[in-house]
Amino acid sequence: DIQMTQSPSTLSASVGDRVTITCRASQSIITWLAWYQQKPGKAPKLLIYKASSLESGVPSRFSGSGSGTEFTLTISSLQPDDFATYYCQQYNSLSPLTFGGGTKVEIK
Amino acid sequence: QVQLQESGPGLVKPSETLSLTCSVSGGSFSPYYWSWIRQPPGKGLEWIGYIYNSGSIYSSGNTNYNPSLKSRVTISLDTSTNQFSLRLSSVTAADTAVYYCARALALGVTFDFWGRGTLVTISS
Repeated sequence: DIQMTQSPSTLSASVGDRVTITCRASQSIITWLAWYQQKPGKAPKLLIYKASSLESGVPSRFSGSGSGTEFTLTISSLQPDDFATYYCQQYNSLSPLTFGGGTKVEIK
Repeated sequence: QVQLQESGPGLVKPSETLSLTCSVSGGSFSPYYWSWIRQPPGKGLEWIGYIYNSGSIYSSGNTNYNPSLKSRVTISLDTSTNQFSLRLSSVTAADTAVYYCARALALGVTFDFWGRGTLVTISS
């Protein structure tokens, strides 16, 4: 299995801050990486696919970068609606598809 | 707008079989990977498996399961009703989770539409 490790597990930030979340893969996944946002009691929402492609309708303050084994999700200016948990997911290997453990973005 | 809705019992006894159905509306049923993903309370996401609907009767129905669950999982497709189903046998308390159904594009297995999720508790 390809293990996905996110850091940090929790992040405290203020509105307007630039926030960066890291996701590391246990082996190269090229750019087959997606990012999701999940709010309490809700299903995850796709933000980014193929490491850096913004899903339709997602605000441009979200961006993704990276290739190989190291990836980042950046929120350029944190908004109140962005406090949530973020997950990465690799789809280079389909057996199994795997998610990172999540990063909770909290209000500082 | 594509909508997915999970349905099924919220309580299942240990050793029995968990059965859920996902109803899809508002969009095409092919060509997509129709998936099940679960999330234990307070924990992260675990992919259970998917079934592929190509739109052709000759190549639809291919499944792919998480090896950790493969011996207990069956995912099936009913193209006449735009539904797909999950069966998970021999459940234990460790299978207690919110179960989501989701759609993934054929070009890359990322999940662009999700159901709202349904909590299934394993308890006697």
